[in-house]
Amino acid sequence: SQQGEEDPQALSIQEGENATMNCSYKTSINNLQWYRQNSGRGLVHLILIRSNEREKHSGRLRVTLDTSKKSSSLLITASRAADTASYFCATDASTSGTYKYIFGTGTRLKVLA
Amino acid sequence: DAGVIQSPRHEVTEMGQEVTLRCKPISGHDYLFWYRQTMMRGLELLIYFNNNVPIDDSGMPEDRFSAKMPNASFSTLKIQPSEPRDSAVYFCASSLSQMNQPQHFGDGTRLSIL
Repeated sequence: SQQGEEDPQALSIQEGENATMNCSYKTSINNLQWYRQNSGRGLVHLILIRSNEREKHSGRLRVTLDTSKKSSSLLITASRAADTASYFCATDASTSGTYKYIFGTGTRLKVLA
Repeated sequence: DAGVIQSPRHEVTEMGQEVTLRCKPISGHDYLFWYRQTMMRGLELLIYFNNNVPIDDSGMPEDRFSAKMPNASFSTLKIQPSEPRDSAVYFCASSLSQMNQPQHFGDGTRLSIL
């Protein structure tokens, strides 16, 4: 089944550094979303990028999409301790007449103060 | 504006007991999703509703699991009888539409079956 695989599984950086997370998927998509999950909380939507878009920005977040390589990356610039969380990509999938998002396995980011 | 509300936040019960998880979606959202999150399997979609009608329940693990949405502001996920392997965090999410819209998640119910 189609599923996003995030890479790396875990990442530890110093405050102020940039953090880059990657997501690879298997089949064609219409769009891809990135979410953040803080410990003990639900997922929070960060950004959506459509298949005809190559790059999108939101504050300190930059998302790229390469449909030829079936991959996306999430860059967090000038990271802060508050960015410590797990980050997930979600890709849309249409199977048997239904449409849904499949979430990846996540990248655990730790930002050290 | 209130987000998705789930109850209870934590549930500990013994194997064989019935468990009912509750969810109140964001007002005006047409789609409601139930997910299960474990370390081993990640975040899995169990079932989703559109306008209170179940659309895809292919992720429901077995007949012990059932979900209902009697109206636009309430949904339940029931496990009967519960088993230790059902221990997980269960999330409810809602969205305005299925395509090109973010899903808004509740903070989940952490379920432990002893």
